[in-house]
Amino acid sequence: KQEVTQIPAALSVPEGENLVLNCSFTDSAIYNLQWFRQDPGKGLTSLLLIQSSQREQTSGRLNASLDKSSGRSTLYIAASQPGDSATYLCAVRRGGSGSRLTFGEGTQLTVNP
Amino acid sequence: GAVVSQHPSWVICKSGTSVKIECRSLDFQATTMFWYRQFPKQSLMLMATSNEGSKATYEQGVEKDKFLINHASLTLSTLTVTSAHPEDSSFYICSARDSGVKETQYFGPGTRLLVL
Repeated sequence: KQEVTQIPAALSVPEGENLVLNCSFTDSAIYNLQWFRQDPGKGLTSLLLIQSSQREQTSGRLNASLDKSSGRSTLYIAASQPGDSATYLCAVRRGGSGSRLTFGEGTQLTVNP
Repeated sequence: GAVVSQHPSWVICKSGTSVKIECRSLDFQATTMFWYRQFPKQSLMLMATSNEGSKATYEQGVEKDKFLINHASLTLSTLTVTSAHPEDSSFYICSARDSGVKETQYFGPGTRLLVL
């Protein structure tokens, strides 16, 4: 059974700081990995999707890396802003585009102005 | 981008009543929709997968007679919580997979259910 763990559970940083969120998964046989953002009481917004054959994906100030063999992914946020405050969820899809997503419990990020 | 809507966004009901939540894909067809439940400070837990025109596949531990799922069209799936109890209070999120772009799964804004 796939298990996804995110560390830290919560993080508070001053505005402008660069930060790294960590995600680990127990079964390295994944199809892809996805990072989401969830604002309080809201649904999920997809940030980055990394295929199993890829090492990283970038979108603006966000960079996600994937090391499938070690079962790890990181989300790097550069020059953090108060608007980045949210919960960040990591999810892995195992066996193809039709299979389910397994979510981590998320990292709650607060960026203080 | 693709949009998934949910209605209602929040609902309060008395214990023992049934509540229906709608999930719609607004600008794409979704042969597959997913229903998740999220308790405070916890991650999303998949409840069931629904495929248009067929019965939903429920995850282990999820009662299919309590959580009725209907996926009657390519743009609409409904989740009915029957005989709701306070322990059913949670945040329910639906997700739809774009039939034309298989890897893309879009999430709805969620429905907050409070059972008194």
